[in-house]
Amino acid sequence: DTAVSQTPKYLVTQMGNDKSIKCEQNLGHDTMYWYKQDSKKFLKIMFSYNNKELIINETVPNRFSPKSPDKAHLNLHINSLELGDSAVYFCASSQSRANEQFFGPGTRLTVL
Amino acid sequence: KNEVEQSPQNLTAQEGEFITINCSYSVGISALHWLQQHPGGGIVSLFMLSSGKKKHGRLIATINIQEKHSSLHITASHPRDSAVYICAVRRNTGGFKTIFGAGTRLFVKA
Repeated sequence: DTAVSQTPKYLVTQMGNDKSIKCEQNLGHDTMYWYKQDSKKFLKIMFSYNNKELIINETVPNRFSPKSPDKAHLNLHINSLELGDSAVYFCASSQSRANEQFFGPGTRLTVL
Repeated sequence: KNEVEQSPQNLTAQEGEFITINCSYSVGISALHWLQQHPGGGIVSLFMLSSGKKKHGRLIATINIQEKHSSLHITASHPRDSAVYICAVRRNTGGFKTIFGAGTRLFVKA
């Protein structure tokens, strides 16, 4: 049973394209997150949702738009992809903002 | 300067050695997280603590809130402990966001 799953695991695409990454958690958690890990392996928060409401929105380009259709899902849509968007994107969830986070396996995005 | 600093950046140890990884932070926090990222890329939560000490198997994590410092110890290290260990703090202000250290890359030789 996968707790936090992401699809796809790998995504290779051309500059300028629009793509989505999906995240689902079956833990019954209220809070979900998107993180970006760059080539230097540094993790940074992008967005956080609590009960489908946006609570953290870091300084990311507005080409990135999170969407939470329900508590169990937090998808990340990226418009007009750029070379600098190449990274590994991790989804995570926690029972609440105060609790331990559980991470998905990551999606490696490569923009050519 | 990053709000969360880890040391050392890289660490090579012989199997069986006692290992310590340090994390210092400069912001007010409500909790601190130790994470392990395997060479394959997956991230696993090891500990979340806000005071004192926690132990799980050969791993021990301590935190000193007054000194804004945490340590992760690995006793009787093993090659399978080779991974990147990441310290992350959850701020108690400013949206309660999580800030990550740059990670400590540990390699344990057999």
